[in-house]
Parts: sequence; C-alpha cells; structure tokens
Amino acid sequence: AQSVTQLDSQVPVFEEAPVELRCNYSSSVSVYLFWYVQYPNQGLQLLLKYLSGSTLVESINGFEAEFNKSQTSFHLRKPSVHISDTAEYFCAMVETSYDKVIFGPGTSLSVIP
Amino acid sequence: DAGVTQSPTHLIKTRGQQVTLRCSPISGHKSVSWYQQVLGQGPQFIFQYYEKEERGRGNFPDRFSARQFPNYSSELNVNALLLGDSALYLCASSFVGGRDEQFFGPGTRLTVL
Repeated sequence: AQSVTQLDSQVPVFEEAPVELRCNYSSSVSVYLFWYVQYPNQGLQLLLKYLSGSTLVESINGFEAEFNKSQTSFHLRKPSVHISDTAEYFCAMVETSYDKVIFGPGTSLSVIP
Repeated sequence: DAGVTQSPTHLIKTRGQQVTLRCSPISGHKSVSWYQQVLGQGPQFIFQYYEKEERGRGNFPDRFSARQFPNYSSELNVNALLLGDSALYLCASSFVGGRDEQFFGPGTRLTVL
C-alpha cells in the first residue's frame, strides 16, 4: 500500500545548528516527491519537489532534499537553521500514474534561540 | 492575484446534517483537490478534479461527494455528518494536478456536535 512515513513528530534544534527531517515512502511504482511547509497561522506551501533528473533538489531558503530510490527516502536537510524556520513540515508523494497525493503525518520543527 | 479562497471559514453542524464547502481556485488553474486534516495529522486526500472530471478519489465513504463547475470552482458535500468528520477541510488548486505544485487555501474548520 502507498504510504509516507515521517518518523519524527517533533524536532527541536538550536538556532544555526543543522537539521534533518526524515521522510520514507512506500510505493510499487515511480513517484514524485514533495516537501510542503506550514508556518504558524499560515496555509500549506510548497518548499521543494523531486520530479525526475538530479536526485538533489534545493529550495530558495537553503533547504535541500535528496531522493534515494534504493532506500525509498526523501530526507530534508538544512545546514544552519533560523528562528523563522519554525514550522510544520509535511512530506508528500504522488504516484506517476495517478493524481492522488499522499501526505505524511508531519514533523514539527522548533528552532530554539 | 488572489490565492485560493474557501468559504465558509468556520462551520458548526450537528450529527446527521449535511454540509457544503466551497472553493475558488487561482485564476488559470484547472485542477482542484480536497483534503481533510485532523489535528496533529497530515492532510488526507479526498478528491481531485480536473476539467470538471473526477481524476482521483481517496478512501472516504460515499457520504463525501464533490463537483467542479465550468469556472473551475468546486464544492465538497458531506452528508449524514458524524462526529469524526470534524476537521479542517483544505482545498488546493494547480494547473493540471498530479506533479504540479499545489496552492492551498486557508481551509474551512468544520465542527460536528
């Protein structure tokens, strides 16, 4: 069955420290992968996506994620976090033959001053 | 340009009643998707419509139905409301769905008493 797993429900990290938010997916076919972010009191917005090509994708605010097909993972990383990165992060996948978007349960990132 | 709009913002209903939620996509977007988000969980896919045709359906009972109009706006209907239907209902629009970035509305908070 198709699913997205985010093992860490909450991740506290000190400002300027690195962070990794883990995402694993389960699917028997090719997938597109996404990270969405929800800042406090705001709606969901796309952070970055992997469709094909280079397995390393980057966002404009310093996040990056790497698609690893053998490990069925799409972990999100940032080398140095800021207070403004405090938010809920959702990993999502779409199987290439369908239009059903499957979201993970989310990881709450709290950046500590 | 206006983003995705949803109405109403909040809604309180009693068990057994019926509810209609409305969504207006971003101008130029032809695909609308509906999600249910329960507190502490990721959005759960309900429906996706493209050019007024249903392109995807999640694991929700037949009490949930939707449609898309010629102007690409959409309605989500839920019949015979249950307490468990209490959630934030999100609408997202995109150009064609699937691999496209989805733009989310602020949601409708439904409370079933």
